[in-house]
Amino acid sequence: ETGVTQTPRHLVMGMTNKKSLKCEQHLGHNAMYWYKQSAKKPLELMFVYSLEERVENNSVPSRFSPECPNSSHLFLHLHTLQPEDSALYLCASSPKLPGLAGPSSYNEQFFGPGTRLTVL
Amino acid sequence: EDQVTQSPEALRLQEGESSSLNCSYTVSGLRGLFWYRQDPGKGPEFLFTLYSAGEEKEKERLKATLTKKESFLHITAPKPEDSATYLCAVSVYNQGGKLIFGQGTELSVKP
Repeated sequence: ETGVTQTPRHLVMGMTNKKSLKCEQHLGHNAMYWYKQSAKKPLELMFVYSLEERVENNSVPSRFSPECPNSSHLFLHLHTLQPEDSALYLCASSPKLPGLAGPSSYNEQFFGPGTRLTVL
Repeated sequence: EDQVTQSPEALRLQEGESSSLNCSYTVSGLRGLFWYRQDPGKGPEFLFTLYSAGEEKEKERLKATLTKKESFLHITAPKPEDSATYLCAVSVYNQGGKLIFGQGTELSVKP
């Protein structure tokens, strides 16, 4: 496997279900991200992890729970979702977090193929 | 508030008809501007990073340029396989790893 992989690619769940999305990066990067992409809207950053430590939570509802057990793996645990949560969920990684004033090259983010989530 | 706006929302070209996509930004301190290509049902594919006004980068039929207010993605003699949504994003100083994305331009190239 190369690059960033995500499983499953498609997921249909009811509002009372609990499911998890998985992301794995094979690039040796230290930072990982979760994004939400809804139709006709810009990508929305959800969570940022650097070396397994969460450094940003972009006002995401608690029904989304991230987990980063190591620098190569990232999970998004889902429970009690709403139909409006249906979207493409994208995982990305970058070499490092650039910090407050670091170079932009650290922030070149490489994306996985996404998980298409439908909440019924 | 930091903001990125792309235009047009959609662009239809004939094969070989060159054109440009625009990305305008208003940010407190630009660290870098990124262009991505996204095919339907797939994740964005990294194309370019531009760091400072006046910088240009090229890849096959694509050329990205940057000024202090906007970036252009020029497509020369496009082919049908260039059809995709092109996304622009900026990285801002004092905002860590966050990328701020525009809404994208959907490009369709007809043979």
